[in-house]
Amino acid sequence: GAVVSQHPSRVICKSGTSVKIECRSLDFQATTMFWYRQFPKQSLMLMATSNEGSKATYEQGVEKDKFLINHASLTLSTLTVTSAHPEDSSFYICSVGGAGTDTQYFGPGTRLTVL
Amino acid sequence: GENVEQHPSTLSVQEGDSAVIKCTYSDSASNYFPWYKQELGKRPQLIIDIRSNVGEKKDQRIAVTLNKTAKHFSLHITETQPEDSAVYFCAASKGNDYKLSFGAGTTVTVRA
Repeated sequence: GAVVSQHPSRVICKSGTSVKIECRSLDFQATTMFWYRQFPKQSLMLMATSNEGSKATYEQGVEKDKFLINHASLTLSTLTVTSAHPEDSSFYICSVGGAGTDTQYFGPGTRLTVL
Repeated sequence: GENVEQHPSTLSVQEGDSAVIKCTYSDSASNYFPWYKQELGKRPQLIIDIRSNVGEKKDQRIAVTLNKTAKHFSLHITETQPEDSAVYFCAASKGNDYKLSFGAGTTVTVRA
């Protein structure tokens, strides 16, 4: 399967600051990337679908101005949490797919803690 | 949109016994059904998947069955081992490049 990395693995920030999370597909041309959020002991909730070279499609209830997604290349997508607040603290995971495949492979996740 | 329900939410089995997790989906257009295993603080790992043109698939101790008419699919783990302890998620999608809808997860504990 595809090898996916995320950076950083953990981040602690102050309320009101912005945090950028990177998702890289190391061996796969990912035309589509997905961003999920997972709260403790809960399932993965899709936030948005990111297509290379076009605007992301956000799920209902996800603020696109707060969670900025950029997918400028086939190997990199970024999620920026703007003006982070404690309720944004969560585990953020990306997955890669695309190129006609239905299988998704996940990154290792980023643990965000907002103080 | 797609709604995936998963049962049970927790499952405790004796080492060596079998574990079965069941999922139902609502959208008849869904045609791809993966299962992921997630250990605490780690990424979900794909363990097996099935597509709608197949009724059953097996990989060593893991098997998945699909009933398209009833819109349900199940994960079977035989001869469970302590390392099988994790949270398991089922999911469904409409296939290529389409988003996954996840079930709520099942916490499996294998007692030694």
